[in-house]
Amino acid sequence: QVQLVESGGGLVKPGGSLKLSCAASGFSFSDYYMTWIRQAPGKGLEWVSYIGTDGYSTYYADSVKGRFTISRDNAKNSLYLQMNSLRAGDTAVYYCAKTRPTIGGWFDPWGQGTLVTVSS
Amino acid sequence: QSALTQPPSASGSPGQSVTISCTGTSSDVGAYTYVSWYQQHPGKAPKVIIYEVIKRPSGVPDRFSGSKSGNTASLTVSGLQVEDEADYYCSSYAGSNNLWVFGGGTKLTVL
Repeated sequence: QVQLVESGGGLVKPGGSLKLSCAASGFSFSDYYMTWIRQAPGKGLEWVSYIGTDGYSTYYADSVKGRFTISRDNAKNSLYLQMNSLRAGDTAVYYCAKTRPTIGGWFDPWGQGTLVTVSS
Repeated sequence: QSALTQPPSASGSPGQSVTISCTGTSSDVGAYTYVSWYQQHPGKAPKVIIYEVIKRPSGVPDRFSGSKSGNTASLTVSGLQVEDEADYYCSSYAGSNNLWVFGGGTKLTVL
């Protein structure tokens, strides 16, 4: 079955960096868009970043543009999110999600999430 | 502040129906038929229950239905069951810069 497993979260100081990974299995990874979505503790969902099938088409939320970089390695069935210049407001559970490869595609399924805490 | 507006809470008794609204703008909900709804139980990852406004993924009970009128989308849960108690989030494709936007979520309580 389709499985997405995020890793790489943890505690980091403001201004620091962290790289999240998402290992995919059970589907043809290279045929699907992928998306990162985050959820601050006790808060709602926020779309963070999207990447197309070939890795060249990328988009970012205004809140992370210029600080985060999404990438993928189709040979390793893996998705990444490099997060730099981290702020307290970036504290959240980060989910990766398989995204239907059409305009406006939906997110299904989601991984279990990895918690990123930005604090001194 | 979320881009899409949802009521923070909704409730109903078992067997009843409840509708949750999701209001956006002519740049997101009103512009595309790409509204999806996600159910999230405490401590769990969200799960899609409606996509492209009205479509249900296989395995999702037909008690869940979606609709849209203008800039407002709606999720209706008919025949409420105890296991429907969860947080529900709407999402819309928005094109251009911020590709997708979410609602702030609605906590559904089954009394």
